[in-house]
Amino acid sequence: AQSVTQLGSHVSVSEGALVLLRCNYSSSVPPYLFWYVQYPNQGLQLLLKYTSAATLVKGINGFEAEFKKSETSFHLTKPSAHMSDAAEYFCAVMNYGGSQGNLIFGKGTKLSVKP
Amino acid sequence: NAGVTQTPKFQVLKTGQSMTLQCAQDMNHNSMYWYRQDPGMGLRLIYYSASEGTTDKGEVPNGYNVSRLNKREFSLRLESAAPSQTSVYFCASSEESATQYFGPGTRLTVL
Repeated sequence: AQSVTQLGSHVSVSEGALVLLRCNYSSSVPPYLFWYVQYPNQGLQLLLKYTSAATLVKGINGFEAEFKKSETSFHLTKPSAHMSDAAEYFCAVMNYGGSQGNLIFGKGTKLSVKP
Repeated sequence: NAGVTQTPKFQVLKTGQSMTLQCAQDMNHNSMYWYRQDPGMGLRLIYYSASEGTTDKGEVPNGYNVSRLNKREFSLRLESAAPSQTSVYFCASSEESATQYFGPGTRLTVL
């Protein structure tokens, strides 16, 4: 069965600092992995996804994530945080146990950006 | 394109009342999903529909029913609401590449 663990329910960085949000996954088959962002009182928006092509995936708003099979990780990074990055971020893995396209979500990491 | 739309945006119910949450997508996607989001729990799948005419249970189906009315619409029904069903409900649809597109959510409070 697939699962996702996000380390740290809250992360706080200063504006201009590196953003690093951690995600580890468990999957018995090559995974499809996703990062979604949720701004306050809104739905989820896709940031980026990994589908077994390049291991370094670039997404919107300057975010990127690197798939590391040996570490079963898919950490999200951004070199320089902006105030507008304050949001909740969810890592997800495709669930092969059910219908194609089901996602298993992590519990989320809330990112705060200090001026 | 409106994407995924959900109605209502907010709802307050009393324990035992029933209601239906509506969801529609205009992207011609086959698959549609209902999730609930609770603080510190992430999103949990309630039901999904891989294609018109089919529905399957997700992780937390108890207390809910769904209808895939046609390719565009997927509704979620609470027959007898309970306080434990207070949550934010999201509908999503997906293309063949598995990317899911989410609606804006419905905030439901059950008193």
